[in-house]
Amino acid sequence: GQQLNQSPQSMFIQEGEDVSMNCTSSSIFNTWLWYKQDPGEGPVLLIALYKAGELTSNGRLTAQFGITRKDSFLNISASIPSDVGIYFCAGQRGAQKLVFGQGTRLTINP
Amino acid sequence: DVKVTQSSRYLVKRTGEKVFLECVQDMDHENMFWYRQDPGLGLRLIYFSYDVKMKEKGDIPEGYSVSREKKERFSLILESASTNQTSMYLCASSRVVHEQYFGPGTRLTVT
Repeated sequence: GQQLNQSPQSMFIQEGEDVSMNCTSSSIFNTWLWYKQDPGEGPVLLIALYKAGELTSNGRLTAQFGITRKDSFLNISASIPSDVGIYFCAGQRGAQKLVFGQGTRLTINP
Repeated sequence: DVKVTQSSRYLVKRTGEKVFLECVQDMDHENMFWYRQDPGLGLRLIYFSYDVKMKEKGDIPEGYSVSREKKERFSLILESASTNQTSMYLCASSRVVHEQYFGPGTRLTVT
């Protein structure tokens, strides 16, 4: 099945730094989503994007739906220790199932 | 608060055993999903269900089956477990497909 290409696969940063990650696809999606998985837990939805070009914020998180509908970006500003985890992008076409990226593992050095 | 529970956090089974993974949600959601999570591969959909007794194959259904006899319960069955089915298994439920609520996962080891 189709997969999304998510990068980077892992990030090691200092507390307080900003973080950027992205997701690309060869196909168009109508909805882009970003989930976060804390260690030992299931993923939790952070942000949903519904329109090309849309920019949405959730606290220190900002995500964008690419204008081509084939990519999306997630930024985290001023990282804190609780931001540690795995971030997944996901795309949806119509009413169908979600397709997930490979994940970005974020590690923060205090 | 939506709660999705999975029957076990850790499970160790032998090759050839029949394995049942149970998932229960308490929010009356129509949609339920089973994924497996492997490093570097993200989440891959095994099976999903839009209603009681309905099931649809996902991207990697081979070696798995599912059962949904009641709305709140969705079971994943490994008919004859193999070592390449060692993985983290995640169950999710939703009212709308994109807003999925996940359980904590079952880490299955097949020896």
